[in-house]
Amino acid sequence: DIQMTQSPSFLSASVGDRVTITCQASQDISNHLNWYQKKPGRAPKLLIYDVSNLLRGVPSRFSGSRSGTLFTLTIASLHLEDFATYFCQQYDGVPSFGPGTTVDFK
Amino acid sequence: QVHLPQWGAGLLKPSETLSLTCGVDGGSLSGYYWSWIRQPPGKGLEWIGEINHSGATNYNPSLKSRVTISIDTSKNQFSLKLSSVTAADTAVYYCARDLEGLIEYWGQGTLVTVSP
Repeated sequence: DIQMTQSPSFLSASVGDRVTITCQASQDISNHLNWYQKKPGRAPKLLIYDVSNLLRGVPSRFSGSRSGTLFTLTIASLHLEDFATYFCQQYDGVPSFGPGTTVDFK
Repeated sequence: QVHLPQWGAGLLKPSETLSLTCGVDGGSLSGYYWSWIRQPPGKGLEWIGEINHSGATNYNPSLKSRVTISIDTSKNQFSLKLSSVTAADTAVYYCARDLEGLIEYWGQGTLVTVSP
């Protein structure tokens, strides 16, 4: 099984901050990595697919990158609506999700 | 716009079978995999399995022995059955549409609680 770890688990930030979340795969997953945003009581929302492609309608302050098996989600300038939990997901093998990173108010 | 309404029993006793159904409104079943994903309280997301319009399935090995996903193309809907549930199966269950790994459309989620 491919294991996904995320760092940090929790992140306190303020509006306007630059936020970086990382996701580490236990093995090579090529570019088969997506990022989702989840808010309490709502279904997850796909933000970025295949490492760095923004889904239509997703603000350009979101970006994704890859270095080997380490993947990064960056929010260039945090907006109020960005306080949420972010999950990475690999689909190279049996799909699996990272444990999530919660971005909370500082 | 694709809409995935889902329904099913929300309270089960241990050893019973979980049964949920998801409708597909505004889109075709063909060309996609239709998935079930769950999130236990306070935990992360777990992929349960998927089915395509032809009935081909893939399951999470950790749940495979208890899971059945089926599809009814005449009704444009697909279903999840999870047998012999325990408290560990308490979760919000989501249906979703999967296009080559991209899960863009999700149901609203159903909280299923397993309690004696």
